Amino acid sequence: SQQGEEDPQALSIQEGENATMNCSYKTSINNLQWYRQNSGRGLVHLILIRSNEREKHSGRLRVTLDTSKKSSSLLITASRAADTASYFCATPLTINDYKLSFGAGTTVTVRA
Amino acid sequence: ETGVTQSPTHLIKTRGQQVTLRCSSQSGHNTVSWYQQALGQGPQFIFQYYREEENGRGNFPPRFSGLQFPNYSSELNVNALELDDSALYLCASSLRGTNTEAFFGQGTRLTVV
Repeated sequence: SQQGEEDPQALSIQEGENATMNCSYKTSINNLQWYRQNSGRGLVHLILIRSNEREKHSGRLRVTLDTSKKSSSLLITASRAADTASYFCATPLTINDYKLSFGAGTTVTVRA
Repeated sequence: ETGVTQSPTHLIKTRGQQVTLRCSSQSGHNTVSWYQQALGQGPQFIFQYYREEENGRGNFPPRFSGLQFPNYSSELNVNALELDDSALYLCASSLRGTNTEAFFGQGTRLTVV
């Protein structure tokens, strides 16, 4: 069964704008990971945030984690056409698990 | 590039046939997981291998089986293919431990006709 759910399902923005997507999950976790997928290819690992972290940055990416609300957000700042992709959050199936559960993803389209 | 390689990249099989997909893990990684991703959906966990033994399985029938070799590479075998097995099959390698990232290959696109 899926642990995480991304919201919104799809997002269309202008180049240069920011894109925000959210992930909600059901059970306690040790960490949460975000991935990007271009056109049905493999998943590219973006960032891992641990349960004791509230915010993490990587380049133009900012991830937050609120364990009390069981939710996370991914912010892409100053978007580019190359950011057009599907974005997935992944959480361990159980708190000490190494197997991942994915949501259905958010499809982001960046218009030039 | 993650260092995780999968072969082949595309494959077309007939219903009822058997298929073997291959994955080479990233150097230093000892755990391999396989996922199935149907069109428009997120990846679904099939099973994981650690030290050549299955270490957990998702909701997939026994006709999905796997192997992990001493060099940590892995195979996914699917017998008696069904049309619904058409999907992107993703392999992920990681180092066993808490809070370690999983890195994915480019996937194998399987079409069952």
